[in-house]
Amino acid sequence: DAMVIQNPRYQVTQFGKPVTLSCSQTLNHNVMYWYQQKSSQAPKLLFHYYDKDFNNEADTPDNFQSRRPNTSFCFLDIRSPGLGDAAMYLCATSSGVGGLTDTQYFGPGTRLTVL
Amino acid sequence: RKEVEQDPGPFNVPEGATVAFNCTYSNSASQSFFWYRQDCRKEPKLLMSVYSSGNEDGRFTAQLNRASQYISLLIRDSKLSDSATYLCVVNWLGDSSYKLIFGSGTRLLVRP
Repeated sequence: DAMVIQNPRYQVTQFGKPVTLSCSQTLNHNVMYWYQQKSSQAPKLLFHYYDKDFNNEADTPDNFQSRRPNTSFCFLDIRSPGLGDAAMYLCATSSGVGGLTDTQYFGPGTRLTVL
Repeated sequence: RKEVEQDPGPFNVPEGATVAFNCTYSNSASQSFFWYRQDCRKEPKLLMSVYSSGNEDGRFTAQLNRASQYISLLIRDSKLSDSATYLCVVNWLGDSSYKLIFGSGTRLLVRP
């Protein structure tokens, strides 16, 4: 059974056209993360929610926003996608942070193409 | 210096070989360590957590050396299905909370 679900799996958008990526989880985890991963690079953390508390990474562009309306769902909004935003976007969840057992479970990712 | 550093490889080994990957991290306050596996165009999946005393899971052995700030992964009797990118991951205390920092990964190719 899928535990972290991302929709859509593939998204094509036009330069500057807003896009929203969706993530849902059935694990009832407190923490949800959004990562950006470009080819042959490490996943880069954009931000995470601990319950309703939003934690933005210092180098995440303002163009990227997130919403978490409830425990199960988290959204990534890209307000004005540029060509450089084409990447795989990974959602992950964990029960907590900092501990050895607080492993992260990843969704299958959404591959974003910007034309 | 990168926060988490790995040899990108690729490591090209025959089936049955033993291969080892190393990873170094720069934050001495890091508390927990993991190896993730990522197949091409797929999401990372947890391979194993790394405990202070070292731990083994079948053909995989992970070691942690806090003094030298490195983590290793040993794969014995390599299988074709072990071909993937192996990501070293360190739990990192940032300004206000912990977060995982991923290395760029080491690519392993196991040939028949």
